[in-house]
Amino acid sequence: DIVMTQTPLSSPVTLGQPASISCRSSQTLVHSDGNTYLSWLQQRPGQPPRLLIYKISNRFSGVPDRFSGSGAGTDFTLKISRVEAEDVGVYYCMQVTQFPITFGQGTRLEIK
Amino acid sequence: EVQLVESGGGLVQPGRSLRLSCAASGFTFDDYAMHWVRQAPGKGLEWVSGISWNSGSIGYADSVKGRFIISRDNAKNSLYLQMNSLRAEDTALYYCVRYSGYDLGSYYFDYWGQGTLVTVSS
Repeated sequence: DIVMTQTPLSSPVTLGQPASISCRSSQTLVHSDGNTYLSWLQQRPGQPPRLLIYKISNRFSGVPDRFSGSGAGTDFTLKISRVEAEDVGVYYCMQVTQFPITFGQGTRLEIK
Repeated sequence: EVQLVESGGGLVQPGRSLRLSCAASGFTFDDYAMHWVRQAPGKGLEWVSGISWNSGSIGYADSVKGRFIISRDNAKNSLYLQMNSLRAEDTALYYCVRYSGYDLGSYYFDYWGQGTLVTVSS
């Protein structure tokens, strides 16, 4: 199974400041079709997860442009350009390049 | 608007069975593969099972293989998870999730339900 490792596990951030979360996979996420199936999810307190980013850097419908994804191969990053209060929650990376589908352990974003 | 509404959760004793349902609306159900993902209390996300649009491809996590059965009824726009031989470690919030493609190839999870809670305890 592909192991997804996120850092940090907790990230205190000041409102209006940027935030960054890293995700590393135990093997390449480049699929035989040439795509990389790495997604980022946001889970606000008491809510189900919500898709933010798919295939490394594509923002899902309705996701603010302050969220961006980057990376390649085994190393990926989610960036929030200016953190807002509504961004508080847990962020997960996940891969669908190879079954079983696996998730990172989650990064808790909190306001300082 | 895509809606996924899970039901069927509850308190069940170890070794017993439970059947979860997911009612889908707002999209053409049989155009999409579907999955179940669970989240133990205070923990992270774990993929449980997935099924292609026509039930031709099915996958399970090793932790539930041989105990859980996923199925769907496209005529009823519904997804199911039959959970047998339940264990304490199956206690979790179970989410119904839409896949962005029709088979179990590589896509992404685009819509999630609110979840239904399963508690396995004597």
